Amino acid sequence: GDSVTQMEGPVTLSEEAFLTINCTYTATGYPSLFWYVQYPGEGLQLLLKATKADDKGSNKGFEATYRKETTSFHLEKGSVQVSDSAVYFCALFKGGYNKLIFGAGTRLAVHP
Amino acid sequence: DTGVSQDPRHKITKRGQNVTFRCDPISEHNRLYWYRQTLGQGPEFLTYFQNEAQLEKSRLLSDRFSAERPKGSFSTLEIQRTEQGDSAMYLCASSLQNSQETQYFGPGTRLLVL
Repeated sequence: GDSVTQMEGPVTLSEEAFLTINCTYTATGYPSLFWYVQYPGEGLQLLLKATKADDKGSNKGFEATYRKETTSFHLEKGSVQVSDSAVYFCALFKGGYNKLIFGAGTRLAVHP
Repeated sequence: DTGVSQDPRHKITKRGQNVTFRCDPISEHNRLYWYRQTLGQGPEFLTYFQNEAQLEKSRLLSDRFSAERPKGSFSTLEIQRTEQGDSAMYLCASSLQNSQETQYFGPGTRLLVL
């Protein structure tokens, strides 16, 4: 079945470091891909999305490119801040299935 | 736009009791979804509504679970005879029918069954 695999956390970085969180997916067809962020005690917030191959989603300095050849959607940010500390979830959506399929999440901790 | 709201935010109950959660979606959204998130995992789909019709249910939704959306606006999720394994965060999301992949999530209800 369809699935999403994320790198295990926690990822611990110093402020202003470069961030990469890996995400790969398994799915037939052409899913849309998403990154959601969950801050402590809060629900999920949509961070960015891409709906077709080679699309780049971007928001708040984060970006991810839909790579169909490697079935990947890695999240990157050039310079993280303490306020980016959260759990990041990669997800896919296929039309006709009506639901998001999430990875297990990757916890990011950024220290000053 | 006040976003998706859920009530209560936290619920502690004893095994065997019934609990009910409420979700109020974004007002113009006709699709509403329930997900369950256990510790250290991503959310898993439970069920979804289009207006008042419940169109899909996951195998995760045992007979003890029932969801309703009687007037196509707010929804309730009831768990009967709770078990310790029901302890989780229950998330509600909503979307427009023609933009169903973009789902907006509420803050969740955290359930602890003792």
